[in-house]
Amino acid sequence: DARVTQTPRHKVTEMGQEVTMRCQPILGHNTVFWYRQTMMQGLELLAYFRNRAPLDDSGMPKDRFSAEMPDATLATLKIQPSEPRDSAVYFCASGQGTGTHQPQHFGDGTRLSIL
Amino acid sequence: KNEVEQSPQNLTAQEGEFITINCSYSVGISALHWLQQHPGGGIVSLFMLSSGKKKHGRLIATINIQEKHSSLHITASHPRDSAVYICAVSERRRNTDKLIFGTGTRLQVFP
Repeated sequence: DARVTQTPRHKVTEMGQEVTMRCQPILGHNTVFWYRQTMMQGLELLAYFRNRAPLDDSGMPKDRFSAEMPDATLATLKIQPSEPRDSAVYFCASGQGTGTHQPQHFGDGTRLSIL
Repeated sequence: KNEVEQSPQNLTAQEGEFITINCSYSVGISALHWLQQHPGGGIVSLFMLSSGKKKHGRLIATINIQEKHSSLHITASHPRDSAVYICAVSERRRNTDKLIFGTGTRLQVFP
């Protein structure tokens, strides 16, 4: 079965360090989503891309977060500098179609801990 | 008030029971999603629907657009159904859609 692949699965680092999370969407999917999940806030949409172009990043703190798609097989989410409040599980999902009204396939997530 | 509300927050059941999880929303939507998250964290998309009813195995999802309400039903529940079930809506906006999540319903099914 085709799967969304996220790396790393776990990341522990000290505050102030740069963190880069990677996502390989399912081949042929043209939409990629980044989500963050915390105990307090639940799941939140951070940003999403269609055909590699950012469509909505209103959920993402712009001062320290950045999301890119260097090519159709790779999406990245960077945090610089990282802070303890960024500790969460970050999920990537991909889909085929337009907008968020499409079935989404989730990766296993990156569990991030900022000390 | 949250834009997407789920009830109940927690639910326990005996194996074989019929289960219903509810989701109400207050915004205009283009679609509603039901997701399943097992302990350990993986998320699976169960349904995406914009009208009527969908069925997959023992799972049934319904939506009433006029009442802004959806239900997820599990027939003949099994311990492996134990998970968090999350409702999310694609809020229709002028230029893009925004996905808004409920806080989830934690289901435990005991043998």
